[in-house]
Amino acid sequence: AQTVTQSQPEMSVQEAETVTLSCTYDTSESDYYLFWYKQPPSRQMILVIRQEAYKQQNATENRFSVNFQKAAKSFSLKISDSQLGDAAMYFCAYRSDLDGAGNNRKLIWGLGTSLAVNP
Amino acid sequence: ETGVTQTPRHLVMGMTNKKSLKCEQHLGHNAMYWYKQSAKKPLELMFVYSLEERVENNSVPSRFSPECPNSSHLFLHLHTLQPEDSALYLCASSQDSVGVHTEAFFGQGTRLTVV
Repeated sequence: AQTVTQSQPEMSVQEAETVTLSCTYDTSESDYYLFWYKQPPSRQMILVIRQEAYKQQNATENRFSVNFQKAAKSFSLKISDSQLGDAAMYFCAYRSDLDGAGNNRKLIWGLGTSLAVNP
Repeated sequence: ETGVTQTPRHLVMGMTNKKSLKCEQHLGHNAMYWYKQSAKKPLELMFVYSLEERVENNSVPSRFSPECPNSSHLFLHLHTLQPEDSALYLCASSQDSVGVHTEAFFGQGTRLTVV
């Protein structure tokens, strides 16, 4: 069974600095998707970035980028130029590719990392 | 407009009460989900509906009863809950079909407290 591990329950960063959140996962599959979701105090889970396992190039979304190491089964999130609005819980999630019938596979979630941004 | 709207935002209920959580999505998605989020635990997938049919039920107690009358609406009916059922209940939707899929979009959740 797949598992997702986030080893940092809490992190903090100074405003405008860079922070990296760690995520490792365990799977025997070759095709899958990885996601970082952000959950601010408003509680809504918001997709930050996604990575397809078949792509070697690391995904980037503005100030957010990932370091995807498929062999090491590592998927870290780097937040550059941190802003106060980045303070939130960050969840790493794994999902298998769709099955042959086109059915969605469920997301496997980590426990989350609470990120504080200090002014 | 978040795309996925959940009501109520907060709910306090006694163990003998019956209540319902509502979720509505305005994204044209064909799959909807109920998740339970408890402190210090990974998100737990409870139910999955695809094209209004339940396709997954992850050993959820029968005191939780989902209903999906159409592809835009999802309910979670609650009755005789236990204090350990207190949690944040999140609804999500996605578009899934052969060869096409989108990420799950989440509502803001219902904070449920069972007293």
